[in-house]
Amino acid sequence: SQKIEQNSEALNIQEGKTATLTCNYTNYSPAYLQWYRQDPGRGPVFLLLIRENEKEKRKERLKVTFDTTLKQSLFHITASQPADSATYLCALCEDTGRRALTFGSGTRLQVQP
Amino acid sequence: GAVVSQHPSRVICKSGTSVKIECRSLDFQATTMFWYRQFPKKSLMLMATSNEGSKATYEQGVEKDKFLINHASLTLSTLTVTSAHPEDSSFYICSASVQGGYEQYFGPGTRLTVT
Repeated sequence: SQKIEQNSEALNIQEGKTATLTCNYTNYSPAYLQWYRQDPGRGPVFLLLIRENEKEKRKERLKVTFDTTLKQSLFHITASQPADSATYLCALCEDTGRRALTFGSGTRLQVQP
Repeated sequence: GAVVSQHPSRVICKSGTSVKIECRSLDFQATTMFWYRQFPKKSLMLMATSNEGSKATYEQGVEKDKFLINHASLTLSTLTVTSAHPEDSSFYICSASVQGGYEQYFGPGTRLTVT
């Protein structure tokens, strides 16, 4: 069966440290993968997109890697801040025509001051 | 830029009534809009994809006669939950994308409670 798993339901880290979130998938062949941030009671906000032929993408303090052999994406936030506390969702897309996304269940990140 | 609004943000209705939720792209033309529902502490589940002027494509297990989707213009899509029941209570979120774009811009969501 198809699955998208995000490593843990919750992750607590100290301010200034690097947060690493994991997204593993089974029985999918994604053309690209995206990461979103969701705050409580709000819709997700797009952060980064990485294509199947890309290994790594960066945007300011964010870095995403994509390993299609391991079927895994890692999402890093460096120099984390309390304002980074939120739920982070990975989403993958197999059909670039329809562009429908399948989401993981998310990891709730808490950055302690 | 790329702002999506939803209305209403919260709605409470009685069982058996219908509820309409609007999704608007405020500063861009959305060729494709998506409708999701989300249960507490769960992920987003795609319900349907709609392209402007076309019939919506529903995901497996989503009743198209119960969840009516209309995408009449490039800035507006509506989801109508017909004959709502308590099990339809959920957080409904829409998103929109531009032609050729892969990012989805999400609305703030609508909390539906059916009593």
